[in-house]
Amino acid sequence: DAGVTQSPTHLIKTRGQQVTLRCSPKSGHDTVSWYQQALGQGPQFIFQYYEEEERQRGNFPDRFSGHQFPNYSSELNVNALLLGDSALYLCASSYRAYEQYFGPGTRLTVT
Amino acid sequence: RKEVEQDPGPFNVPEGATVAFNCTYSNSASQSFFWYRQDCRKEPKLLMSVYSSGNEDGRFTAQLNRASQYISLLIRDSKLSDSATYLCVVDYGGYQKVTFGTGTKLQVIP
Repeated sequence: DAGVTQSPTHLIKTRGQQVTLRCSPKSGHDTVSWYQQALGQGPQFIFQYYEEEERQRGNFPDRFSGHQFPNYSSELNVNALLLGDSALYLCASSYRAYEQYFGPGTRLTVT
Repeated sequence: RKEVEQDPGPFNVPEGATVAFNCTYSNSASQSFFWYRQDCRKEPKLLMSVYSSGNEDGRFTAQLNRASQYISLLIRDSKLSDSATYLCVVDYGGYQKVTFGTGTKLQVIP
């Protein structure tokens, strides 16, 4: 049984560019949450998707958007990248409101 | 005040020692609590949920004190493999609007 998978593993972008990160949830899970983790900090909640809708959102600007597909996979899009967007982006899946399981993350570097 | 605060660490303890971490939260409406473990440059992994009555899983014991708004994690007989960052997580309800603490780093030394 595959766990949560994310792609790509690493990514380097330039300021002002746009990026799309992808996540496939663990089998049987229907809810996907995205987090941003800066070095030395705990993960910060970006938003959560359930039934293809954004259900909850943290304190992130509109430059951060997402999508969930009918197969429960999800994308995180970030527009107009800033240097401060450099971080590890984690996807977590769960079944409804039960425990979350994290993917390995995508490490984004903005230069 | 931060929504979720943890002991800053790092905690350096010898093998076999008992170590305890505390985590305080500010929202009294918080519904669910968890401890996650995160190894360097890896994703967080669920260690245990925290129940009102307290719960134990082998060498790990988690407790919740709603009156004082804190949760704790006790690790007995520390192993070298316990070295990691321990993240406290609070769920404010409704499809997991969760907040992570900044983590406490534990280093178990031989």
